[in-house]
Formats: sequence, structure tokens, C-alpha cells
Amino acid sequence: DSGVTQTPKHLITATGQRVTLRCSPRSGDLSVYWYQQSLDQGLQFLIHYYNGEERAKGNILERFSAQQFPDLHSELNLSSLELGDSALYFCASSVEAGPFEQFFGPGTRLTVL
Amino acid sequence: GNSVTQMEGPVTLSEEAFLTINCTYTATGYPSLFWYVQYPGEGLQLLLKATKADDKGSNKGFEATYRKETTSFHLEKGSVQVSDSAVYFCALPYSGAGSYQLTFGKGTKLSVIP
Repeated sequence: DSGVTQTPKHLITATGQRVTLRCSPRSGDLSVYWYQQSLDQGLQFLIHYYNGEERAKGNILERFSAQQFPDLHSELNLSSLELGDSALYFCASSVEAGPFEQFFGPGTRLTVL
Repeated sequence: GNSVTQMEGPVTLSEEAFLTINCTYTATGYPSLFWYVQYPGEGLQLLLKATKADDKGSNKGFEATYRKETTSFHLEKGSVQVSDSAVYFCALPYSGAGSYQLTFGKGTKLSVIP
């Protein structure tokens, strides 16, 4: 158990809908990273938050957004969903924003029908 | 930017066989290097790491040595078990404007048969 929690574990929804994925980092970790894992693209970095502030964006679509709250949990919002958004979404946390190991949650499997 | 090239597999081995999964990297400077493992239906777990050149990371019988001359971080295990069946990812931090997101290889699926 990494100490990182993600909810829900599975999500099935329809095209055009909006969903919210939630992540709670390990106790004391200030950084939260979001990644998408799909068969064709592999593991892709989406966005990084540090202590409530956005630090970096990767291959994140404009339909996707995220935030980190004062209690350090983070939410990833996906809107106008398309079939191609079906994937595993992981969050990871680390103690700081440096080149340290990241601890991954169990992931949310999103299926868009 | 930083990048990782990893042997893709799949790799199928018999129990007690020797395992090598190749990983080479391109990076500015000498970043930390990681191997993560993903068991079926689970998230990624850190398997081992090395933070500087010539460091050897080890865990659960797996080893990898950070070799700056060959820019490599190959994963090895002397005797694999069925329980080692998983997908293995080589990764390094990519630094950009105060962020250190991980760049991953494509993953190598290992199946160990009894």
C-alpha cells in the first residue's frame, strides 16, 4: 500500500459526459502528479500540482482540468468525454517538487461508452 | 528533453531463469533513475532506484546499476519466480520549470511460467 488513495476505482460513463476523479496523497506529501495510461500511448504525464499551485502541464487536453485543495487532495475533471478518453488514470505523490520517487495510487479505470 | 528507451517484450521465462530488461536513457546531467513494477490490476510500485552514477539499486532480488558511460540502467534478477510476472517500467524525472514529472519507457511485460 503506497498510502495514496484514488476514488472511484472504476467509472463507466457515456460520451459527452463529465466526471471527476479524486486523489489523496500520502500524508505529508505536497506534490500531486496525474498520469494517463492507455494501450497506445503508454504512461503520459498530464499535470503537476505543488502545495495548491499548478507547476507543470503535460499532454493534457483542454477538456481536462485539475486542482489541488488546501487539504492537499486533488481532483481531475474530465469533460465532453470521448471514446478515446477511456484509460487508466493514476495520481502519484512525492514529498517535494524535486527529482524524487513518486508513489502511485491504484488508479481509476475510466470507460467511456 | 529526457527520454527512456526500454526493451518492449513481451518476455516469457521459465521459473528460476535469469532476467535482463534493457533500459537506456537520454538526459541532461545525471538524473535519478527508477524502475517501477505494475502487477496485474494494480498501480505502479517503485521497485528500485539509483540517484547517481555507479549507484546500484536493489530490491526483492532485482538489481540495476546506473552506468553513465553507456547511459543505461538495465534491470536484472538471477532467478525469477512466477510471482514476478508483471509489467516493468524504466523511468527518469524530466525537469521543467520546477516540476519533475516522470518520463516512462513503454513497459516490458514479463510472464514467468512454472
